[in-house]
Amino acid sequence: GEDVEQSLFLSVREGDSSVINCTYTDSSSTYLYWYKQEPGAGLQLLTYIFSNMDMKQDQRLTVLLNKKDKHLSLRIADTQTGDSAIYFCAETENYGGSQGNLIFGKGTKLSVKP
Amino acid sequence: DADVTQTPRNRITKTGKRIMLECSQTKGHDRMYWYRQDPGLGLRLIYYSFDVKDINKGEISDGYSVSRQAQAKFSLSLESAIPNQTALYFCATSDLGAGGPHNEQFFGPGTRLTVL
Repeated sequence: GEDVEQSLFLSVREGDSSVINCTYTDSSSTYLYWYKQEPGAGLQLLTYIFSNMDMKQDQRLTVLLNKKDKHLSLRIADTQTGDSAIYFCAETENYGGSQGNLIFGKGTKLSVKP
Repeated sequence: DADVTQTPRNRITKTGKRIMLECSQTKGHDRMYWYRQDPGLGLRLIYYSFDVKDINKGEISDGYSVSRQAQAKFSLSLESAIPNQTALYFCATSDLGAGGPHNEQFFGPGTRLTVL
């Protein structure tokens, strides 16, 4: 079945860049997503990338997609303490009656040290 | 006001009790979901509903049931709660195709359930 893998923890210093990596299994995923969960809250969509793109940049966020290796990454430039959160990678389910559902990774907890 | 609300926000109950978690949304979305979140396991899909008459089991539906009372309301029930159902439960909504072809999901704030 489809699966999304990501490391569970990442710790960086304030001002450094953070890179969160993810691998996925479904090569037919149309979109791939990064969701952010702040402490005590639900998930919010941070950014997404269409599968025919290699890169998407949005202010401090850069998403890189390597379709050949089924690898997705999220880079946060100039990481701030407010970026401390759990980041979830997600792919789209693309078969049968559940088409369009999201498959989430286990989440990477980003800790930013001042 | 929040677009997706969940009640209660916290609940402590005992083994064997019946529990209902409720979710309401004002986004007008057809699709609604229930997930549970456990540390180190991420989000796992319990049930989902594509409209009022369409309810489907997710990855971990055993021990749970749902009811889609209206487009805006989707409730999750634990008929006889057990300790390993202690988790954070999230409701989410989406409207695939509206405003774009991708499936952004909008999450409620979560219900923290503890089963003793």
